[in-house]
Amino acid sequence: GENVEQHPSTLSVQEGDSAVIKCTYSDSASNYFPWYKQELGKGPQLIIDIRSNVGEKKDQRIAVTLNKTAKHFSLHITETQPEDSAVYFCAASFIQGAQKLVFGQGTRLTINP
Amino acid sequence: GAGVSQSPRYKVAKRGQDVALRCDPISGHVSLFWYQQALGQGPEFLTYFQNEAQLDKSGLPSDRFFAERPEGSVSTLKIQRTQQEDSAVYLCASSGGGDGYGYTFGSGTRLTVV
Repeated sequence: GENVEQHPSTLSVQEGDSAVIKCTYSDSASNYFPWYKQELGKGPQLIIDIRSNVGEKKDQRIAVTLNKTAKHFSLHITETQPEDSAVYFCAASFIQGAQKLVFGQGTRLTINP
Repeated sequence: GAGVSQSPRYKVAKRGQDVALRCDPISGHVSLFWYQQALGQGPEFLTYFQNEAQLDKSGLPSDRFFAERPEGSVSTLKIQRTQQEDSAVYLCASSGGGDGYGYTFGSGTRLTVV
């Protein structure tokens, strides 16, 4: 089955700097890669997703890149703000298949003012 | 409703007690998912419904876990004879198109078994 590895487990950056979180997946059939932000006491919130037919997607300060050959994808947050502090999860899924998401272990991002 | 609603938010159960966790998905959403999130970990898949049909229950850890969605809207996750290892946050998510894209998660039910 699919396995998703996420790094780093914790990340601390200065406000205004960029943050990068990386994930690798094992199943080459996976074709959908969402990223979720989870704040304390809340459920995961979808922030951006990418499908396997594109290599990059951007939404304001957030971007995701996908390398299908290497089976890895990354989240980039630019101009970080204190409200970006949260736990971020990557996930992978084979849509048209099981539809279940396999999540990484999470990255706790702290933005220092 | 505007989002996925789960109740109760918190549940403390004595070991051996049965519990029932409720999920109200976004109105009209076809797909409904249950996930289990242990402390400090990513969510792990439990089961998936498309309307009232349970299409995948491969993630249910044992036969003590049972889920239903009899009318294709509200879902209930039942855990019988709870054990300490069942302590976790149980997350429900729904997706509108039946295609698995763009889940919306609820805030979860934190279950503590003592």
